[in-house]
Amino acid sequence: DADVTQTPRNRITKTGKRIMLECSQTKGHDRMYWYRQDPGLGLRLIYYSFDVKDINKGEISDGYSVSRQAQAKFSLSLESAIPNQTALYFCATSDPDPQGTSRGYTFGSGTRLTVV
Amino acid sequence: AQSVAQPEDQVNVAEGNPLTVKCTYSVSGNPYLFWYVQYPNRGLQFLLKYITGDNLVKGSYGFEAEFNKSQTSFHLKKPSALVSDSALYFCAVRDGRTGGGNKLTFGTGTQLKVEL
Repeated sequence: DADVTQTPRNRITKTGKRIMLECSQTKGHDRMYWYRQDPGLGLRLIYYSFDVKDINKGEISDGYSVSRQAQAKFSLSLESAIPNQTALYFCATSDPDPQGTSRGYTFGSGTRLTVV
Repeated sequence: AQSVAQPEDQVNVAEGNPLTVKCTYSVSGNPYLFWYVQYPNRGLQFLLKYITGDNLVKGSYGFEAEFNKSQTSFHLKKPSALVSDSALYFCAVRDGRTGGGNKLTFGTGTQLKVEL
């Protein structure tokens, strides 16, 4: 099983619909992140959580919300989807790693979301 | 604020030739630098990192990267490219200071295309 699992892998939804993307991890990491990837723009941080009670906005949080249900689960919601939220979404995890001994982030395989 | 620049959207190289993918960074403290690779329909995978020590870092699949503090660069290199190296490559940086938060900032990515 993958260390970081994202569901669904692909989703097509209509404008105005609410949609939830789910992420679960078996790494035991406290820190979880949601990114979106757009061609030419790289990865942009939507939200991040350093533990279950600590949730923070990233650079592009408007139109999104998150829920950290447990250490292992971090969900991203689009309350009312719009076409420019069409993108590839990634969940990632990390540990605090103050000495830089880890490999940085562990990524899920992504969710390709299309809003029509 | 920390940032990463990958000046080339795409790099084309013939199989067997050396390749270089460029990355420059900006960070307040000591940089922790990473390279990740993304194959189609997959999440990002760790290639290598620089934390401290030798400026030439060796990583997976024969890749290496050279840290240059004076030029604030961390270019990815491989002596002999393979067609299977064709993928999207991301450079990332975080602030190495204790309490720097461990959040990675990613570049916009460079598409590497290796042709026969």
